[in-house]
Amino acid sequence: QITLKESGPTLVKSTQTLTLTCSFSGFSLSTNGVAVAWIRQPPGKALEWLALIYWDDDKRYSPSLNTRLTITKETSKSQVVLTMTNMGPADTGTYYCAHSLYRSGSGYFDYWGQGTLVTVSS
Amino acid sequence: QSVLTQPPSASGTPGQRVTISCSGNNFNIGNNYIYWYQQFPGTAPKLLIYKNNERPSGVPDRFSGSKSGTSASLAISGLRSEDEADYYCAVWDESLSDIVFGGGTKLTVL
Repeated sequence: QITLKESGPTLVKSTQTLTLTCSFSGFSLSTNGVAVAWIRQPPGKALEWLALIYWDDDKRYSPSLNTRLTITKETSKSQVVLTMTNMGPADTGTYYCAHSLYRSGSGYFDYWGQGTLVTVSS
Repeated sequence: QSVLTQPPSASGTPGQRVTISCSGNNFNIGNNYIYWYQQFPGTAPKLLIYKNNERPSGVPDRFSGSKSGTSASLAISGLRSEDEADYYCAVWDESLSDIVFGGGTKLTVL
């Protein structure tokens, strides 16, 4: 059974750096073809893909946020960490991590965490 | 403003068949797989359709996906009250090198 759970601060100040951790079970990020992604959703708005890391440590980032994002994995801990620098009020929203499979194509997220709401104060 | 265009709302009565459209271009829908997600308020999205028309295990066959050219559709037949949710399409965009989501469609069951 695959589960994911996000953790991190619920409140950050403008210009600060956000660090979120995705802790997962039921799969290994050392398995060929497995990936974990981060996706966010501002209140009342649409989903936005942020970053993705593959089993082989290949990484992909949203072009619009590329300079602010870093995604890393700690395979032995079954964790993926996302850092986002220079946070602003527009970054307020629910942040999700999700399981993905390379063979199923980009846009495939079959298991999601419950999400964590991050509020940025100005 | 998303590169994928979805109607902001859709509605239907129980038992009806409704479709939700997702319009893009040759750099995204026209040349890549489309995915559909269902999201209830306050909960995480759920994968509904992948690779244009495949259903994950456990998704009822009332849900179906199709693609033609630069547009895609999600169809829900035998509409039920529990289908009332937000629906999002997603696809890889080659020109942006980005995974893009549509703006979402709020489905109301009347």
